[in-house]
Amino acid sequence: QSALTQPASVSGSPGQSITISCTGSSSDVGGYDLVSWYQYHPGKAPKVIIYESRKWPSGVSNRFSGSRSGNTASLTISGLKAEDEAYYYCCSYAGSSTWVFGGGTKVTVL
Amino acid sequence: QITLKESGPMLVKPTQTLTLTCTFSGFSLNTSGVGVAWIRQPPGKALEWLTVIYWDDDKRYSPSLKTRLAVTKGPSKNQVTLTMNNMDPVDTATYYCATPGRALDFDYWGQGSLVTVSS
Repeated sequence: QSALTQPASVSGSPGQSITISCTGSSSDVGGYDLVSWYQYHPGKAPKVIIYESRKWPSGVSNRFSGSRSGNTASLTISGLKAEDEAYYYCCSYAGSSTWVFGGGTKVTVL
Repeated sequence: QITLKESGPMLVKPTQTLTLTCTFSGFSLNTSGVGVAWIRQPPGKALEWLTVIYWDDDKRYSPSLKTRLAVTKGPSKNQVTLTMNNMDPVDTATYYCATPGRALDFDYWGQGSLVTVSS
């Protein structure tokens, strides 16, 4: 069960769109349409912003969107805002009530 | 309203056993489908799923840590306990408890408990 692969950092200017990839295997991302994404601000608890690869929890901005194709999931943040500067983690269900997280991506708003 | 809160020692020595408790409210671990998971995050590093326990006492562990981990219900009906033996400085991390939602995401999280392993 290896960690999912995410880019270490992504940056963009306010108003732009950025995309974060999350690559796993057929045992996790590719095997289940159950990828979730978390926004993490240091010192706070992670917050789920996408579940089931593309759905939004109540209260989460639709500027966040998710997709999945094969063994790779993606998170796109549209209309980038200063408040979006944070760490983002993907997580995939991996079967038999186990999960695997990605290495995390730091998003910087320029 | 669902809340979770982790408690336990802030400092443990190498080779000691860590015991953390997750105290929750707003749901019952006697309800079908309900579970409590533990997730950790070393300083500056990624989140790592550790274990989950379900209403029916089904337990699953991270393959890389399963020999060192144990999760149990209790001591109270609204608590879950995590034990990790043979602690090492690399186990220094913030330990979170969280609830697996119906979509198999983690929808509610505790505030986290920072545990430092040092002699």
